[in-house]
Amino acid sequence: EVQLVQSGAEVKEPGESLKISCKASGYIFTTYWIAWVRQMPGKGLEWMGTIYPGDSDTRYSPSFQGQVTISADKSTSTAYLQWSSLEASDTALYYCARPQGSGSLVAPFDCWGQGTLVTVSS
Amino acid sequence: DIQMTQSPSTLSASVGDRVTITCRASQSISSWLAWYRQKPGKAPKLLIYEASSLESGVPSRFSGSGSGTEFTLTITSLQPDDFATYYCQQYNSYSYTFGRGTKLEIK
Repeated sequence: EVQLVQSGAEVKEPGESLKISCKASGYIFTTYWIAWVRQMPGKGLEWMGTIYPGDSDTRYSPSFQGQVTISADKSTSTAYLQWSSLEASDTALYYCARPQGSGSLVAPFDCWGQGTLVTVSS
Repeated sequence: DIQMTQSPSTLSASVGDRVTITCRASQSISSWLAWYRQKPGKAPKLLIYEASSLESGVPSRFSGSGSGTEFTLTITSLQPDDFATYYCQQYNSYSYTFGRGTKLEIK
């Protein structure tokens, strides 16, 4: 069974750094892109960026370029989303998701993680 | 960036009803459109891709149509499980964008 299991909820203060994870199983991790999607409280879905774990090719939404870093560890089949300095406006639910089709950068997301809630507050 | 305009933002209906949700793209996206259902506190679930293809395991009461810039999601014979929020998503380019969502409420 294909699964994406995300790390647990985080509560951080403004200015702190954070790295959340998404562990994949049930398929060959290095052959599918993985995307990150933000959902702010009570709001819709926003694509942040996508990484190909096979060669770490990464594409960012212009809205998130320079604000976050997406990475992947092939040895543990885990993708990461990280911030160097959090702001209150980063408070949101973050999902990882896998596009359909091996090697497909542009495809609908047929598998999603359960989400990681990040709360940034002083 | 391609903008996706979804309507209505809220829809009230009863079990057994037929409903339609519309999504309009700011430029042609061919048939590169997907629909998702999101229940409260849960991740979105893919329902329809390539505008009209039903994802495996999704009930046949869900259907999609359209191409270019105008798309619709139709749900026939609403079930209690269907009261949720629905999103369209364009994947014409890797710079994905989603509609703002349609909340389907029980009348």
